[in-house]
Amino acid sequence: DTGVSQDPRHKITKRGQNVTFRCDPISEHNRLYWYRQTLGQGPEFLTYFQNEAQLEKSRLLSDRFSAERPKGSFSTLEIQRTEQGDSAMYLCASTTTSANEQFFGPGTRLTVL
Amino acid sequence: KQEVTQIPAALSVPEGENLVLNCSFTDSAIYNLQWFRQDPGKGLTSLLLIQSSQREQTSGRLNASLDKSSGRSTLYIAASQPGDSATYLCAVALGGANNLFFGTGTRLTVIP
Repeated sequence: DTGVSQDPRHKITKRGQNVTFRCDPISEHNRLYWYRQTLGQGPEFLTYFQNEAQLEKSRLLSDRFSAERPKGSFSTLEIQRTEQGDSAMYLCASTTTSANEQFFGPGTRLTVL
Repeated sequence: KQEVTQIPAALSVPEGENLVLNCSFTDSAIYNLQWFRQDPGKGLTSLLLIQSSQREQTSGRLNASLDKSSGRSTLYIAASQPGDSATYLCAVALGGANNLFFGTGTRLTVIP
């Protein structure tokens, strides 16, 4: 257990539905990252927060995706109008500005039918 | 764009053997490099972090080296055990956001 938690661990949804995932980072970590991992591939960066500010977004993050980190604590990732291509493992990681070693949560596996 | 390559894609060794996993990256201006372990269907466990100014890091039976100029890193596992069986991922961070660029991993199987 790295101290980063994600909820839910698994989500099955029908195409066109909206889904929301939650990440709780290690409490003193001010940086939080979201990644997406498809089968047989390494994780790919989606977006990054420093405290409550979303500072960078990947081109992978289409308009259907939105992320928030209110008050610089937990973060949510919402996918609207899900598509089958959204099926993947969504990983959250946290770190501090000084340490830079990223600690990952267990991930949320999304299956879109 | 930073590209990270890991060779081999899969590796099987008998228990007790020493082994080396390779990672190469295209942009040598990295901030740090991290090695992770991933068990099937699970999240990532950080094994070692090497800052750009360092040449190697050690933790138990693991030793990671970094050669920025050639764009290479190796992960050395001594006296392998069946519990070491997992996928090993290499990731590099550039400056700024320090988001990680990952390779596709090496799937290691240690045969008892």
